[in-house]
This record gives sequence, C-alpha cells and structure tokens, in this order.
Amino acid sequence: AQSVTQLDSHVSVSEGTPVLLRCNYSSSYSPSLFWYVQHPNKGLQLLLKYTSAATLVKGINGFEAEFKKSETSFHLTKPSAHMSDAAEYFCVVSLSGGYNKLIFGAGTRLAVHP
Amino acid sequence: DVKVTQSSRYLVKRTGEKVFLECVQDMDHENMFWYRQDPGLGLRLIYFSYDVKMKEKGDIPEGYSVSREKKERFSLILESASTNQTSMYLCASRRTGGESYEQYFGPGTRLTVT
Repeated sequence: AQSVTQLDSHVSVSEGTPVLLRCNYSSSYSPSLFWYVQHPNKGLQLLLKYTSAATLVKGINGFEAEFKKSETSFHLTKPSAHMSDAAEYFCVVSLSGGYNKLIFGAGTRLAVHP
Repeated sequence: DVKVTQSSRYLVKRTGEKVFLECVQDMDHENMFWYRQDPGLGLRLIYFSYDVKMKEKGDIPEGYSVSREKKERFSLILESASTNQTSMYLCASRRTGGESYEQYFGPGTRLTVT
C-alpha cells in the first residue's frame, strides 16, 4: 500500500540558513509526488511536483526537491530560509488509476527565527 | 487563476444540528473533494465526486454525506453534528486525467461543534 512519512513534525531554522524537510514514500511503482504549503489560516498551495521527468524539481519561492528512487525519498530543500517561509508543509503522493487519490503526510511545521 | 471558494471561514454549531458546507470552483473541473484536517494527521479524504451527481466514499465517510447537483458546486453535509466533527474542512478540485494533475484547494472552513 502507498504511504507517505514526513520524518519531522517540527523544524526550526534561523533566517538565512538552509531548510531541509524530509519525506519518504512507499509505493510499488514510480508515483507522482507533490509538496504543498499551508500558511496560517490559508488553503494549501502547490510548491512543486515530480512526474517522472527530471529528478530534481524546482518549485516556487526558491524551493526544490529531489526524487531518489533508491532511497524512496522526496526531500524538500531551500538554500536560505526567509521569515515568510514559516508554514506547514505537506508531502503528498498521488495514486494512479481511478480518481488519482492523494495520500498526505502528517505535515512538518517550519519555524523561522530572526 | 483557479479559484476554489468555501462558503464560511468559521462556523460554530451545536451538537445534533444539520450542517452544510458549500464549495464552489470556477475552472470547470470534473473532480471535487472534501477533506478534514486535524493536527498530526494531515488531510484525510471524506468524499469525492468525479462528475455531477456522482460520488464516492473516501477514507472517513461516516457521519457525512455530499451533494453535487451542478458541476461547479460540491456540498458536504453533517446530518447530525457531533463534537468529534470539530475540525478544519478543506475542499479541492482538479480536472480529470493523469495522476500528475494537481488539486486546487479552498481556504478551509474551521467548524466548531459545541
């Protein structure tokens, strides 16, 4: 069965330092993978998606993620954190067939300190 | 821009009341979804609809029903609200097709049942 594990429920960084949010997935095939961000009191916004093209995916606001099949990982990174990056981040896998159900990770809350 | 709107941002209802949550999308998407979001659990699918008048149960349908009479509108109904249905409810839509198509989310409705 497909599943998504976000390895950290909370991550805290200083402004200007790198961000790493970790995600591992379980799938019997090469899935489509997404990262969504949710700012306080806002809906979810797509950051980036992997769809079996390039393994390094660039998204909005300087974020990127690398699909590593051998490690079944899809970690989200950013070279330099900004205060506005403080939010909750969700790693998501899309199942093929039918209505393409999304499986959400539990979320990682990112705090950015001055 | 895709717009998914939800009728209320905040709602307070009493136990036993019938509650309607409305969602409207303006992009002619075939598929629409209702999720609930709880801390530490990510998003869980309640119901989805792949076309007008069509609906399928998601992972946690108990205590909920849905209605889709028009393509742009998807309603979630709590027949008799209970305190364990206090949660954030998110609506989403997407066009039908491959697994790489993203879902677009509304801003959410925070429902409190007292």
